[in-house]
Amino acid sequence: NAGVTQTPKFQVLKTGQSMTLQCAQDMNHEYMSWYRQDPGMGLRLIHYSVGAGITDQGEVPNGYNVSRSTTEDFPLRLLSAAPSQTSVYFCASSYLGRPGDTQYFGPGTRLTVL
Amino acid sequence: GESVGLHLPTLSVQEGDNSIINCAYSNSASDYFIWYKQESGKGPQFIIDIRSNMDKRQGQRVTVLLNKTVKHLSLQIAATQPGDSAVYFCAENGGTGGYQKVTFGTGTKLQVIP
Repeated sequence: NAGVTQTPKFQVLKTGQSMTLQCAQDMNHEYMSWYRQDPGMGLRLIHYSVGAGITDQGEVPNGYNVSRSTTEDFPLRLLSAAPSQTSVYFCASSYLGRPGDTQYFGPGTRLTVL
Repeated sequence: GESVGLHLPTLSVQEGDNSIINCAYSNSASDYFIWYKQESGKGPQFIIDIRSNMDKRQGQRVTVLLNKTVKHLSLQIAATQPGDSAVYFCAENGGTGGYQKVTFGTGTKLQVIP
């Protein structure tokens, strides 16, 4: 199993540009989530999904959209990038998303918005 | 490399000594408390978790202690090794509706001195 994979590893955008961060898992996990990590602030939950067709907002959802058309994929879309979205983005998955389920994280995407 | 280590409290430990990393949490209703390890340039990796109805749990070389009275969590690493050098995050799972919604702390950098 590849686990959780993310592409791209690095991305530079100009303010106002749009892009999609890709996330895929091959563990047949129902629950997937997106976090952003800023220096000194730990990880903050952006959006999560408990299964195909179901998504919900996390702590910092503004400026981001998600959809979940398949169990394997959970892309994160930035519609109009802003410098405040410069961060490292991590995707994670767990089996059913129950409180005791272990979350597995991808390697991250480092995004810079100029 | 990662800039996540900036502004983080740092614990320096001699190789072979025991390490204790502390964390305060805020949500009395959290079901699970989790420790993650994050090496430079990688995503967080699950180490150990503890349910709210327990006060101690042991794994391989690691022990987590939970004190609900003072909302305190600690991670003890026995016989610390150079490979233990990383940033350690505590996290609490305060999800509603039966699904996990994990809130991360800001992290502690563990530096192992050979």
